[in-house]
Amino acid sequence: GAVVSQHPSRVICKSGTSVKIECRSLDFQATTMFWYRQFPKQSLMLMATSNEGSKATYEQGVEKDKFLINHASLTLSTLTVTSAHPEDSSFYICSARQTFNQPQHFGDGTRLSIL
Amino acid sequence: GQQVMQIPQYQHVQEGEDFTTYCNSSTTLSNIQWYKQRPGGHPVFLIQLVKSGEVKKQKRLTFQFGEAKKNSSLHITATQTTDVGTYFCAGQGQTGANNLFFGTGTRLTVIP
Repeated sequence: GAVVSQHPSRVICKSGTSVKIECRSLDFQATTMFWYRQFPKQSLMLMATSNEGSKATYEQGVEKDKFLINHASLTLSTLTVTSAHPEDSSFYICSARQTFNQPQHFGDGTRLSIL
Repeated sequence: GQQVMQIPQYQHVQEGEDFTTYCNSSTTLSNIQWYKQRPGGHPVFLIQLVKSGEVKKQKRLTFQFGEAKKNSSLHITATQTTDVGTYFCAGQGQTGANNLFFGTGTRLTVIP
């Protein structure tokens, strides 16, 4: 149980392209989904918290107009990196949680490379 | 703001040796969770500790939550090559905070 699917697993695209990443909870309803960014050999940096049906809460320093998050249903959240630039290249991971105080279950991550 | 620190940052052990990573929070936590991330993979949930002083075991892994609910440890007995990866603790605050604060992680290398 508690499977989270993230797609795509890898994206390589040109600078200026917008990239959409999907995160789905396959066998449970996720009231909250989280989006993280991870640089090589570093910890996970929380970008935003997304509750179904409401606006995402962004962490300090994360541009909400740059990283658009939509959590339209209890099983799907999307992260769109708008007008991506090389400095946006990173490993992006989503996680989903059923209720408060329960563990987060992570997707496989998306490795984004902007040329 | 809330911070969760882990030590050591790196640990190299000979296969069969024991390994321990320590996690310290700047604030009291409602619970702490441990995750393992293999190289190139995503974090995988290992366990959650909720009660003060709680100790839980999973085969060769022993997890402890401090009495003050501000620190935790993960101990692996007789490491194997399959234990390789980065171990993260993640704390949830007591003030109804929605998110986890991930520790800095401990990267374990096991030498066969």
